[in-house]
Amino acid sequence: EILMTQSPATLSVSPGERATLSCRASQSVSSNLAWYQQKPGQAPRLLIYGASTRATGIPARFSGSGSGTEFSLTISSLQSEDFAVYYCQQYNNWPPIFGGGTKVEIK
Amino acid sequence: EVQLVESGGGLVQPGGSLRLSCAASGFTFSSYGMNWVRQAPGKGLEWLSYISSRGTIYYADSVKGRFTISRDDAKNSLYLQMNSLRAEDTAVYYCGRGGQWLPFDYWGQGTLVTVSS
Repeated sequence: EILMTQSPATLSVSPGERATLSCRASQSVSSNLAWYQQKPGQAPRLLIYGASTRATGIPARFSGSGSGTEFSLTISSLQSEDFAVYYCQQYNNWPPIFGGGTKVEIK
Repeated sequence: EVQLVESGGGLVQPGGSLRLSCAASGFTFSSYGMNWVRQAPGKGLEWLSYISSRGTIYYADSVKGRFTISRDDAKNSLYLQMNSLRAEDTAVYYCGRGGQWLPFDYWGQGTLVTVSS
């Protein structure tokens, strides 16, 4: 089973600043990596798939990069609505494991 | 508009059973794989089970032998039969579209299952 490790666990950022979240897979998942955003009391929302493709309706300030085992999600200028928990997920192999999440909080 | 709506959650005693449903609309349900994912209070996301459009099924080890996924394409519905429930099964249960080399692009709002005496 592939292990997905996200870092940091918590990221404190001021509005308007850039945030970079990391996700590492224990073995290659090619580019079959997705990022989800989850706000309190809400379901997760797909942000990025294929490691770097934005899902429908996702603002351009969200970008993803990486392949193989190392991935990152960058939010170029944090807006108030971006403070949330972010999960990565590999869907290259069964089971489709999620990372433990990174909470992006207001500094 | 794609919509997934879960139902069937509630309070159940340890060892009991519960059946969750997920009603789908806004897309051709029969053409898509579907999943169940849960989230324990204050914890992360845990994938539980997948059923393909052709009926291929996978389970997480944590629920194998206790949970059964199924679908009824005529009713545009996904189900999760949960037996031998434990306290650690307490969570919000989500259905999600995707899997089999696809991300989970749509999710329901979730239904809360509480296992407690």
